[in-house]
Amino acid sequence: EDQVTQSPEALRLQEGESSSLNCSYTVSGLRGLFWYRQDPGKGPEFLFTLYSAGEEKEKERLKATLTKKESFLHITAPKPEDSATYLCAVQDQAGTALIFGKGTTLSVSS
Amino acid sequence: KAGVTQTPRYLIKTRGQQVTLSCSPISGHRSVSWYQQTPGQGLQFLFEYFSETQRNKGNFPGRFSGRQFSNSRSEMNVSTLELGDSALYLCASRLENTGELFFGEGSRLTVL
Repeated sequence: EDQVTQSPEALRLQEGESSSLNCSYTVSGLRGLFWYRQDPGKGPEFLFTLYSAGEEKEKERLKATLTKKESFLHITAPKPEDSATYLCAVQDQAGTALIFGKGTTLSVSS
Repeated sequence: KAGVTQTPRYLIKTRGQQVTLSCSPISGHRSVSWYQQTPGQGLQFLFEYFSETQRNKGNFPGRFSGRQFSNSRSEMNVSTLELGDSALYLCASRLENTGELFFGEGSRLTVL
């Protein structure tokens, strides 16, 4: 059964303090791994798709990386506006649904 | 380019009632998926429609149903509402060549 585990559940950072969020997964043939950002009361906002181990993608202060068992979302010099819940999801080769982790809630204080 | 539009944004129902939620996908997207989000379970897949046909279904009881129209708009229905159905219901349309889902703002359902 496909499974996604995200850690930590919550993370508090000071502005400028870089860190990483982890997404561990088990899937029967990875078709894609997706990162989303969700603000309170809103729908998830698409960030990145990673397709194969070794792939990396960047957007502003965010960088996502992928290995055969996990993905990391690195946040460099975060700002308060980066505060949100970050969701990781996988899609296997057979299905069309995304299997989501429970998310990491990031709080960045100035 | 307009995003995914969901209506209504908020609604309150009582146990035993039924509810219908609506979703308009991004123009040109033919696939629509529905997810339920609760604090305890996170995001869980309900079903997906493509060209008016249900393509995939999650592990939810038959009280949860959906349909898609020829213009790709979709509706989901929950009958005989239970307290545990209180959740944020999210609709997403898919970019077929990449698999990426683009979500609407959701419909917040409260069952009393």
